[in-house]
Amino acid sequence: EVQLLESGGGLVQPGGSLRLSCSASGFTFINYAMTWVRQAPGKGLEWVSTISDSGTFYSDSVKGRFTISRDNSKSTLYLQMSRLRAEDTALYYCAKSLPGSRAFDNWGQGTMITVSS
Amino acid sequence: QSALTQPASVSGSPGQSITISCTGTSSDVGGYNYVSWYQQHPGKAPKLMIYEVSNRPSGVSNRFSGSKSGDTASLTISGLQAADEADYYCSSYTSSSTLRYVFGTGTKVTVL
Repeated sequence: EVQLLESGGGLVQPGGSLRLSCSASGFTFINYAMTWVRQAPGKGLEWVSTISDSGTFYSDSVKGRFTISRDNSKSTLYLQMSRLRAEDTALYYCAKSLPGSRAFDNWGQGTMITVSS
Repeated sequence: QSALTQPASVSGSPGQSITISCTGTSSDVGGYNYVSWYQQHPGKAPKLMIYEVSNRPSGVSNRFSGSKSGDTASLTISGLQAADEADYYCSSYTSSSTLRYVFGTGTKVTVL
């Protein structure tokens, strides 16, 4: 069974930094592209970043501030977030890609980030 | 990149069919057969319901179907059930200048 477990969320001041982790199990992690998607309170889903064999990709809203990475030996996905803003406040999900489909077939339960002074 | 446009809400009675639209542009929905649909119950993670416009993952009921015409994709739920009451989001791959994805604004489905 595929499992994705996010961690690292919390309260951070504007301008601060935080690193999210997503621990994966139940599949061969190295073989799959992985993605972060966020959802602000009461709002819709927003794609944040994807890491694949082709490289790393970011939404315009986080480019230059967030860095996605992975440690395949630990089956763990990361999102290093810096220069955080109030508008980054959201529940952050990690998601596994369905190969070749550009879709996300497994999601974690999310970790909440609140950016506030 | 603007979000794809979905109706804010759609409702139907048990047993009826409903359709949710998802309108984009030729750079996303109209340009690729990479439209997917997600169901999200309150407080839960999204669940993939349809991928590549019309394909259902294993385990998803065949009451859910997808289609696309031009820049608009659609999700149809037939034989509506109480358990279908949830938020639904479309998503499309887009590569205007680099790989990226865009989600729809979301639709609240209410079973009357």
